[in-house]
Amino acid sequence: QKEVEQNSGPLSVPEGAIASLNCTYSDRGSQSFFWYRQYSGKSPELIMSIYSNGDKEDGRFTAQLNKASQYVSLLIRDSQPSDSATYLCAVGQAGTALIFGKGTTLSVSS
Amino acid sequence: NAGVTQTPKFQVLKTGQSMTLQCAQDMNHNSMYWYRQDPGMGLRLIYYSASEGTTDKGEVPNGYNVSRLNKREFSLRLESAAPSQTSVYFCASSEVGGGTYEQYFGPGTRLTVT
Repeated sequence: QKEVEQNSGPLSVPEGAIASLNCTYSDRGSQSFFWYRQYSGKSPELIMSIYSNGDKEDGRFTAQLNKASQYVSLLIRDSQPSDSATYLCAVGQAGTALIFGKGTTLSVSS
Repeated sequence: NAGVTQTPKFQVLKTGQSMTLQCAQDMNHNSMYWYRQDPGMGLRLIYYSASEGTTDKGEVPNGYNVSRLNKREFSLRLESAAPSQTSVYFCASSEVGGGTYEQYFGPGTRLTVT
């Protein structure tokens, strides 16, 4: 059974702080890794994708991948109240459907 | 460019009724997916279509059927709705190939079965 695990939270951080969200996966053959943001009552929105070990930065977001440890993380710098949402980690192999974690709820207080 | 569209946005059914959820994408993607999302359960794959003319079962296919009508459209049918099918249904599409497999989601259909 392929699994993607996330801490459900809530993760609470003050405005301007760094939020760190983590995800582990069970399938060593996984090749693609994604972070989605989902606001309450809305659909998941892709915010980061990463395919190779290391860091990938996009604005205030940094995705980190460590395939040896089967670990993916998302850092949000200078967190804003508008970042308050549920963050879904998704993992897949080439040409197959993604496996999603249950999500981590982030709350950024002003 | 509308991306992924779904109809209807909301639906209430009585137990035993049937309905079809429609999904269309204008991104020329080969692959399309149907998920359901329930509180505490995350996103679970119902069916997917890797390419036009093919469909495969996902994690929770029982009680559902799908049709890949053409490259753009992928429908999900509930033949005899049950209260356990009360959920939010999302359609997604992706381009599988060229090393990227990013999925893009539609706005969802909120279904209640009484």
